[in-house]
Amino acid sequence: GNSVTQMEGPVTLSEEAFLTINCTYTATGYPSLFWYVQYPGEGLQLLLKATKADDKGSNKGFEATYRKETTSFHLEKGSVQVSDSAVYFCALSAGDTGRRALTFGSGTRLQVQP
Amino acid sequence: GAGVSQTPSNKVTEKGKYVELRCDPISGHTALYWYRQSLGQGPEFLIYFQGTGAADDSGLPNDRFFAVRPEGSVSTLKIQRTERGDSAVYLCASSLQLPTDTQYFGPGTRLTVL
Repeated sequence: GNSVTQMEGPVTLSEEAFLTINCTYTATGYPSLFWYVQYPGEGLQLLLKATKADDKGSNKGFEATYRKETTSFHLEKGSVQVSDSAVYFCALSAGDTGRRALTFGSGTRLQVQP
Repeated sequence: GAGVSQTPSNKVTEKGKYVELRCDPISGHTALYWYRQSLGQGPEFLIYFQGTGAADDSGLPNDRFFAVRPEGSVSTLKIQRTERGDSAVYLCASSLQLPTDTQYFGPGTRLTVL
């Protein structure tokens, strides 16, 4: 079946540090890949997505590249801010197989200190 | 425009009772999803509707769980004979028709079974 594995948290960084959150996946076919973010007290929000191999999703300074050869979709940001503190979820949707449900990783909590 | 809304935001019930959770999707979204999120975990898929029909209910844990969407808009998740293990945040999401369309999440209903 489909699965997503992401690095365990919490990840604690100082403001302006470089961020990487690793995500690898197992899926049949050609899934679409997503990063969702959950800020404290708020609901899940889509951060970025990529729907085919070698696509790069980007938003709010965050980037992730769909790497089929390594089955990875690592999240990166060059300079984090305190306001980026949140829980980040990697997810996939195997849309081309007809199954549209999102499969999520367990989440990575990011804490950015001033 | 208005996002996905869910009511109630919190529900406390006793073991063995029946509960209903409501989801109002974004207007015009034909696809609707229910997920369940336990503490410290990523959301887990329960059921997906396309229009009025359940297109995929493979995530429902047992026959105590049931969901309807009679007019293709609002959906209700129904849980019979609740158990303490049902305690979680129940999330609803909606999207447009294509498999690659983004799922937009509601704020969730926190269910606590005493």
